[in-house]
Amino acid sequence: AQTVTQSQPEMSVQEAETVTLSCTYDTSESNYYLFWYKQPPSRQMILVIRQEAYKQQNATENRFSVNFQKAAKSFSLKISDSQLGDTAMYFCAFMRAGNEKLTFGTGTRLTIIP
Amino acid sequence: DVKVTQSSRYLVKRTGEKVFLECVQDMDHENMFWYRQDPGLGLRLIYFSYDVKMKEKGDIPEGYSVSREKKERFSLILESASTNQTSMYLCASSGQGNQPQHFGDGTRLSIL
Repeated sequence: AQTVTQSQPEMSVQEAETVTLSCTYDTSESNYYLFWYKQPPSRQMILVIRQEAYKQQNATENRFSVNFQKAAKSFSLKISDSQLGDTAMYFCAFMRAGNEKLTFGTGTRLTIIP
Repeated sequence: DVKVTQSSRYLVKRTGEKVFLECVQDMDHENMFWYRQDPGLGLRLIYFSYDVKMKEKGDIPEGYSVSREKKERFSLILESASTNQTSMYLCASSGQGNQPQHFGDGTRLSIL
């Protein structure tokens, strides 16, 4: 079974700073997908970024980028130029190729301080 | 735009009641999911459906059942609600091929 670990339950950072959220996972699979989801206080979970394990290039979406280290089984999320709207719970999730189910980490509560 | 709609944002029920949580998606997605979200535990999969009338148990199916009679609708049923089922329930859907899941707003369910 796969496990996903987010070791930082809470983080806070000043507006405009850069912050990195950590995520590690454990799997024996070689082909899989990794996701970061954001859940703002309004509660709807939205996709931030998706990474395919067989792609070497790190995924980016505007101010959000990942550092995917396959050998180390690490998948951290970097938020650049943080904004007040980035305040949310962030969840890292794993999906095995050919299996549609997600395994989630326990989340990191990120607060952006004005 | 993608839309997953859960029938209630807040729900209060009594112990022993049969509870129905409804979820509808408008994206013609094959896959639908029910999760519960508890502080410090993240999201845990209750049940999953990959087609009409098809279902598969997730990690914590005990005390729950599901129904998928139509492609767009996936219902979660608490047969006899208990206080330990007080939680936030999230519905999600996705297309085939390891696509991202899209979530509803969630239902905060309290069992008294």
